[in-house]
Amino acid sequence: RKEVEQDPGPFNVPEGATVAFNCTYSNSASQSFFWYRQDCRKEPKLLMSVYSSGNEDGRFTAQLNRASQYISLLIRDSKLSDSATYLCVVNLRDDKIIFGKGTRLHILP
Amino acid sequence: NAGVMQNPRHLVRRRGQEARLRCSPMKGHSHVYWYRQLPEEGLKFMVYLQKENIIDESGMPKERFSAEFPKEGPSILRIQQVVRGDSAAYFCASSPPDNYGYTFGSGTRLTVV
Repeated sequence: RKEVEQDPGPFNVPEGATVAFNCTYSNSASQSFFWYRQDCRKEPKLLMSVYSSGNEDGRFTAQLNRASQYISLLIRDSKLSDSATYLCVVNLRDDKIIFGKGTRLHILP
Repeated sequence: NAGVMQNPRHLVRRRGQEARLRCSPMKGHSHVYWYRQLPEEGLKFMVYLQKENIIDESGMPKERFSAEFPKEGPSILRIQQVVRGDSAAYFCASSPPDNYGYTFGSGTRLTVV
């Protein structure tokens, strides 16, 4: 099983729709979790951290399920500018951060 | 406060030449990480360094690749005798001493011809 696994997509979603991504991780000792966003030919940028209690930032909601070892990202009222690749990131320990391959999202006008 | 600075942004090398990629971390960040991203692939961890120390190089190919983070100056990722398969985007990230919060540089796109 891969350390961090994501559906590669692409997800083609009409503008205004809600879209959800899931990500599973294999190491139960993983300590912290993040979602990053990467635009084409650009560097990854931190979108949000993921907390056990779940957290929300505007249209974005992240959740963590430690028992099932998955994290999710929900985007509501999607905008054209949300088109990007979304990377699931798991911190195994202080010096080991693993990136998923990313899920590509295309928002359609 | 400048972000993570990588240079050059684009680098073209002929097969057999050496490639040197530089990364200056954010001010106050003492940890540097190098990642490689092949076309249509995810980010692959290569090496984690602190000043004058390699902490984890488990992702580095055994041959031709080396990395350093000297006491003064930027971190350097060095690829000797480059081959076509080394063509990729190389991203550097830095974090503060508590390891929380990665910031990436814009990357160096290496093309081997």
